[in-house]
Amino acid sequence: DAGVIQSPRHEVTEMGQEVTLRCKPISGHNSLFWYRQTMMRGLELLIYFNNNVPIDDSGMPEDRFSAKMPNASFSTLKIQPSEPRDSAVYFCASSFGASGGALIYNEQFFGPGTRLTVL
Amino acid sequence: RKEVEQDPGPFNVPEGATVAFNCTYSNSASQSFFWYRQDCRKEPKLLMSVYSSGNEDGRFTAQLNRASQYISLLIRDSKLSDSATYLCVVNIESNFGNEKLTFGTGTRLTIIP
Repeated sequence: DAGVIQSPRHEVTEMGQEVTLRCKPISGHNSLFWYRQTMMRGLELLIYFNNNVPIDDSGMPEDRFSAKMPNASFSTLKIQPSEPRDSAVYFCASSFGASGGALIYNEQFFGPGTRLTVL
Repeated sequence: RKEVEQDPGPFNVPEGATVAFNCTYSNSASQSFFWYRQDCRKEPKLLMSVYSSGNEDGRFTAQLNRASQYISLLIRDSKLSDSATYLCVVNIESNFGNEKLTFGTGTRLTIIP
């Protein structure tokens, strides 16, 4: 079975450029999470969706970051304009759970990540 | 104080030894606790959930101490394949009034032949 699919796996771009990261969750999962991982700060939750609706975007660093989930099988995380401090590994994860608070209690399945380098 | 705190290590342990990690959390209202494992340059994967009564899965034992707000992971008879970073995960109430999982920065374990 296909797990969570992310693309691209690696992205190198220059400061100021727009970056779009893509994620396809596991079929049947109704929750999707975007994380960022750095050596200094570890794994940070940026935003999560339940049934395609954003539930909590408090982790999004600033207005340069935006995320969408137009349907149950696709999500994007966009950075515009990108900055060197955005360099990190960005993970997408999905899970299945009941709506409301209980949705975070189920196992999250992570994609392989996108390694972003902003020069 | 960090919401979830772990000793970053590294822990260098000989094969066959027993090793234990602790993790402390700041929110006494937290209800869900997990250990995830992350191999070098790979994604995190769930190792085990942590239940109030403690639970065991083969060589791995997880325990929760609510009074002191820490969880632990014990690995017995360690194998070379146990070398990885172990992430402590706790649910924390967010500013939006809902809950989200918060990851510790991880404890790096290396098993030495």
